[in-house]
Amino acid sequence: DAKTTQPPSMDCAEGRAANLPCNHSTISGNEYVYWYRQIHSQGPQYIIHGLKNNETNEMASLIITEDRKSSTLILPHATLRDTAVYYCIVRVDLFGGATNKLIFGTGTLLAVQP
Amino acid sequence: DVKVTQSSRYLVKRTGEKVFLECVQDMDHENMFWYRQDPGLGLRLIYFSYDVKMKEKGDIPEGYSVSREKKERFSLILESASTNQTSMYLCASSLGGLAGGQTYEQYFGPGTRLTVT
Repeated sequence: DAKTTQPPSMDCAEGRAANLPCNHSTISGNEYVYWYRQIHSQGPQYIIHGLKNNETNEMASLIITEDRKSSTLILPHATLRDTAVYYCIVRVDLFGGATNKLIFGTGTLLAVQP
Repeated sequence: DVKVTQSSRYLVKRTGEKVFLECVQDMDHENMFWYRQDPGLGLRLIYFSYDVKMKEKGDIPEGYSVSREKKERFSLILESASTNQTSMYLCASSLGGLAGGQTYEQYFGPGTRLTVT
């Protein structure tokens, strides 16, 4: 079963910040939160990940609550090309960290409007 | 750039046929994964492999098997295709190991849309 829940869809105006929420209330202390996105007819693409602290890279920012039960992905200036399904995912480490698996939720379809 | 390629973008097979889906990655990744994607269900993990000849069941392995004879290649096998295996199949690869600070980013192929009639 998925460990995350997300709203099925959201709209955002072009040029504005897109804030995508995710609940992961059953996450364990050593499980990372990952975000991927999937543009139509392509495979998912990595965006960002975090454990406890907020993270930022060239694509987005990730805000994780102190209790780690929820997080928010922020796209600071959304463009039309950011229209995609965004997945909030929990990474589960296996065999002492030698490998891992991603548990996908059903994602949020973000529609960026002109 | 990491490249994950899948043998076909579209495939149509008949019920009962044996089906092979091939995936090749060119970045010397230890981990390889097979997912299926269905509307309303997201991506679900079928099988994964963390080394040559090693395989582990994912969340929905029933009706599938896998083969990893070479590090760069991971095959998904449908022994006897059924209509409920009509789906989009996605392959991914990632670095493995215990190195600290690893992103463990999974790189995905473009997918194979399989239709079983």
